[in-house]
Amino acid sequence: AQSVTQLGSHVSVSEGALVLLRCNYSSSVPPYLFWYVQYPNQGLQLLLKYTTGATLVKGINGFEAEFKKSETSFHLTKPSAHMSDAAEYFCAVTQDYGGSQGNLIFGKGTKLSVKP
Amino acid sequence: NAGVMQNPRHLVRRRGQEARLRCSPVKGHSHVYWYRQLPEEGLKFMVYLQKENIIDESGMPKERFSAEFPKEGPSILRIQQVVRGDSAAYFCASSRDRGTRNSPLHFGNGTRLTVT
Repeated sequence: AQSVTQLGSHVSVSEGALVLLRCNYSSSVPPYLFWYVQYPNQGLQLLLKYTTGATLVKGINGFEAEFKKSETSFHLTKPSAHMSDAAEYFCAVTQDYGGSQGNLIFGKGTKLSVKP
Repeated sequence: NAGVMQNPRHLVRRRGQEARLRCSPVKGHSHVYWYRQLPEEGLKFMVYLQKENIIDESGMPKERFSAEFPKEGPSILRIQQVVRGDSAAYFCASSRDRGTRNSPLHFGNGTRLTVT
């Protein structure tokens, strides 16, 4: 069975500071990993995804994440936070075959606050 | 180039009433997923449908919940005899193909159901 753990339900950073949102996954098969962002009262928007190939993936809005198989991690980073980054971020995992193909398993989310 | 459209955005029902949530996928997408987001929780998979077929309903409560995706018209998530515990945000997502490697999920803005 697959699962996702996001460490820290709330993260607060100052504007211009590094953003680091942690995600660890559990999967018995090669995982596909995703980060989504949710702004208040809106749906989820895909930030970036890892499927195969390069383990450092770049997404929208200056975010990137690195797949580390040895650490079963997929942490999300951004070098310099902007006020508009304040939102809730969800890490998700799925597999690309079998009965659960395409069904995303989400973490509980991390709310990012950005202080001026 | 409309995205996933969900309506209504907000729905209030008294205990015992029925709730009908509608989802129109992205044009050309024939795969629909429903997710539920409880307060302070991540999204939980409920059901996956293709046109006229339920493919995976492993996340659906056994009673009172049903889903359909007819040949014509939107996908419908139906909750009969709602209870307070059904209060949540319900998100629909669609994709062009099954699986998320090259066909990521596009999410709607959700329907927020409140049961009084």
